[in-house]
Order: sequence, then structure tokens, then C-alpha cells
Amino acid sequence: DGGITQSPKYLFRKEGQNVTLSCEQNLNHDAMYWYRQDPGQGLRLIYYSQIVNDFQKGDIAEGYSVSREKKESFPLTVTSAQKNPTAFYLCASSINVNTGELFFGEGSRLTVL
Amino acid sequence: AQTVTQSQPEMSVQEAETVTLSCTYDTSESDYYLFWYKQPPSRQMILVIRQEAYKQQNATENRFSVNFQKAAKSFSLKISDSQLGDAAMYFCAYRSNMAGNQFYFGTGTSLTVIP
Repeated sequence: DGGITQSPKYLFRKEGQNVTLSCEQNLNHDAMYWYRQDPGQGLRLIYYSQIVNDFQKGDIAEGYSVSREKKESFPLTVTSAQKNPTAFYLCASSINVNTGELFFGEGSRLTVL
Repeated sequence: AQTVTQSQPEMSVQEAETVTLSCTYDTSESDYYLFWYKQPPSRQMILVIRQEAYKQQNATENRFSVNFQKAAKSFSLKISDSQLGDAAMYFCAYRSNMAGNQFYFGTGTSLTVIP
């Protein structure tokens, strides 16, 4: 079945550590996205990528980094520079950046201890 | 940037009844898409319904329908014959048809279905 796989589902991190969240899709979609979800704030865009080896900052990119070396994969690194990283992270994809709806993974819950 | 407003943080409905969730948006564009997503307790976002702005006819998907008022920039979701499985967080989303566009999400409405 086609879909988006995020891992890990739950992750705990000590302050000062970087952590990488995985996102893999087998939908053959060109565009991929990372969103952060906090209570009462909806979804906020961190980064998105239209094609391989290209990505753009979203509204809250500070303290995060991404790469897009393969069409199927769009990992997100939460760096120690991110002041408040505890949140629920959602990866999504769409056929391309100009049309279509978002398809979402199941999300990753990051908790900083 | 476009803004999407969901003014009802929480709503409740009796099982088998009908409920309407509100959404308004602000844009100067004429061509765009609107979506309703459902986020159940599992937290995976699921597309409920989509509407293209150029279509005057309101979209429907089984028990889900929308009331799209382009001039008023309003996009409400009606759920008929509510079921226990409809209990979830519902997000309204806007997407421009311009190149390099983004999705903009509202803050969500939490729907409780009362047996």
C-alpha cells in the first residue's frame, strides 16, 4: 500500500542534543513537507521541498534542518538551537507543489527532557 | 500571508444529528483550493473533503458536505447523521493555486459526538 511512513513515533531527547525524524513516502510525490503541531495552534510549516536537492524554509524554520537527497525521503533534524522542540511533527506529501491535497504520515512525538 | 480562522474551538453533537463547523479565510486571490481534514485520536490527518474555488457547486462526500460562499470567504463543513467515529479534531485548510504555494491551516475544532 502506498503511503507515508514516519519514524520513530515517540522520541525523547536531552537538551543540547540533535535528533533526526525520518519521513519516507512511496506515493511518487514530488513535494514533501514538515509541519509542527502544538495545542491550539494548528499546523505550522517548517520546511518544504518541491524536488530532489531543493527545499525552502517555511514559517518556523529556525532551529531545524532538512535534506532531500532522494525523492522518497525527507528527514528533519531538530537541532539544539531549537528553543522549544517538544511538539508533534507531521510529514506530508503532495503530487506536486502546485496542486493536490496533502497526504500525511502518522506523526512523531518529540519530548525534550 | 493568507489566514484561516476557525472560530469554534469545540463543538458537540448528538449521535445521528447534524452539525456544522465554521471556517473563514482571508485572501486576495481568486483561484485556490479549500480542504477539511480530520485528525482522530490516532493523530493521523485524513482528508475529508476538498473544494476548488472556481467550482460553484458545493462538494459532497457521503455524509460530509460543504457550504462554500466565495464572496463571503466562508467554507463550512456539515456532517449529517453524526457517528461516534466522527469524533475528532477538524482542520480547515487553504491552498493557493499560485506557484510555490503553501497550505494554511486553521487552529482546529474539536468535535465530540454524544451517544
